[in-house]
Amino acid sequence: ETGVTQTPRHLVMGMTNKKSLKCEQHLGHNAMYWYKQSAKKPLELMFVYNFKEQTENNSVPSRFSPECPNSSHLFLHLHTLQPEDSALYLCASSQDGASGREQFFGPGTRLTVL
Amino acid sequence: AQSVAQPEDQVNVAEGNPLTVKCTYSVSGNPYLFWYVQYPNRGLQFLLKYITGDNLVKGSYGFEAEFNKSQTSFHLKKPSALVSDSALYFCAVRDSDSGAGSYQLTFGKGTKLSVIP
Repeated sequence: ETGVTQTPRHLVMGMTNKKSLKCEQHLGHNAMYWYKQSAKKPLELMFVYNFKEQTENNSVPSRFSPECPNSSHLFLHLHTLQPEDSALYLCASSQDGASGREQFFGPGTRLTVL
Repeated sequence: AQSVAQPEDQVNVAEGNPLTVKCTYSVSGNPYLFWYVQYPNRGLQFLLKYITGDNLVKGSYGFEAEFNKSQTSFHLKKPSALVSDSALYFCAVRDSDSGAGSYQLTFGKGTKLSVIP
């Protein structure tokens, strides 16, 4: 209902698996974001794409690999994850990356790493 | 550097009473301030923002927030709480002087609001 969809909603994977999270926005926005939400911790910004260009990578381990093929789609490729990577992964979009723009969030993917 | 603090992990209020969720911030320049709400198993929903202008900002669902520069605060308020307002509330800040190429929006840890019937 926010115009940002995420699939899958739930994902359980082993540490040796490779999986991908998908985000799609139907708002005509040009900036997209990946956040990690862990219990008892503030939201952590992982990656930012503005007009399909990656503009921010907040020291995220290389086992997380983003991809933004166009302004409407954003992927997060996962491989050889650790149990501490279990969290809610949120995608967001905004009109562009300007400071005053509010972000619209998807429902998130609940990831469990066994 | 920019930071935001939500000093209360949980706020309980009786239905029909006014509610306040506190937020203080720190930035080197001028702040852009936001409030978001998160219901269980959902993403964050934008409630309101302060960019410039009137210190009292009105947002969705009857919420409002007051920007106080001297106290570096941006408290969220509602005159009469509803049970359906029970959720997790996040304050966020971005420094307007963060410079081109920096897109960091810093969130607080969140405050759980429980409205008691």
